[in-house]
Amino acid sequence: KNQVEQSPQSLIILEGKNCTLQCNYTVSPFSNLRWYKQDTGRGPVSLTIMTFSENTKSNGRYTATLDADTKQSSLHITASQLSDSASYICVVKSRDDYKLSFGAGTTVTVRA
Amino acid sequence: GAVVSQHPSRVICKSGTSVKIECRSLDFQATTMFWYRQFPKKSLMLMATSNEGSKATYEQGVEKDKFLINHASLTLSTLTVTSAHPEDSSFYICSARRSTAEKLFFGSGTQLSVL
Repeated sequence: KNQVEQSPQSLIILEGKNCTLQCNYTVSPFSNLRWYKQDTGRGPVSLTIMTFSENTKSNGRYTATLDADTKQSSLHITASQLSDSASYICVVKSRDDYKLSFGAGTTVTVRA
Repeated sequence: GAVVSQHPSRVICKSGTSVKIECRSLDFQATTMFWYRQFPKKSLMLMATSNEGSKATYEQGVEKDKFLINHASLTLSTLTVTSAHPEDSSFYICSARRSTAEKLFFGSGTQLSVL
């Protein structure tokens, strides 16, 4: 069964600090991996997408990494801002049936 | 970027009534739309996949007579929660894409509260 596990479940950081979120998956065959940001009560918004051959991709202060061999990805948030407070969801797409497997998300709270 | 509009954003209804949620792709034609359900602090759970002009494909455990999905045009899909009960209270989100290789765009979600 294709699974996506994220850690930590939640974290609290001070404004201006960095943090890293983890995503491990068992989806196979792998198509791509996306990180989404979901504000409370809103739909997810795509931050990055990574395919098999990509190791790192940045979107502003967000940098995602992918190790397709170990089936791990991370999302690094640099110089966090209060607006970064949200849930971050890792979504992996299967190349077989194009189905998406969703992680449970990591809730990030940035405090002043 | 592409925009998916979902309406209403919040609805409170009495038990036994039906609620319709609309999902529109505003600037592209969505051949496929998806409906998800999300409980607090939990991940999105796919409920059904709808392709324009054909019947929706429901995930295991999702009652198709309870959650009616209509995808009558390439820009509109609706989810109707029939005879809603308090346990149907949840956050419902739709998403849309042009083709299987295309990026997925999410609606802003609908918070349903059944009293």
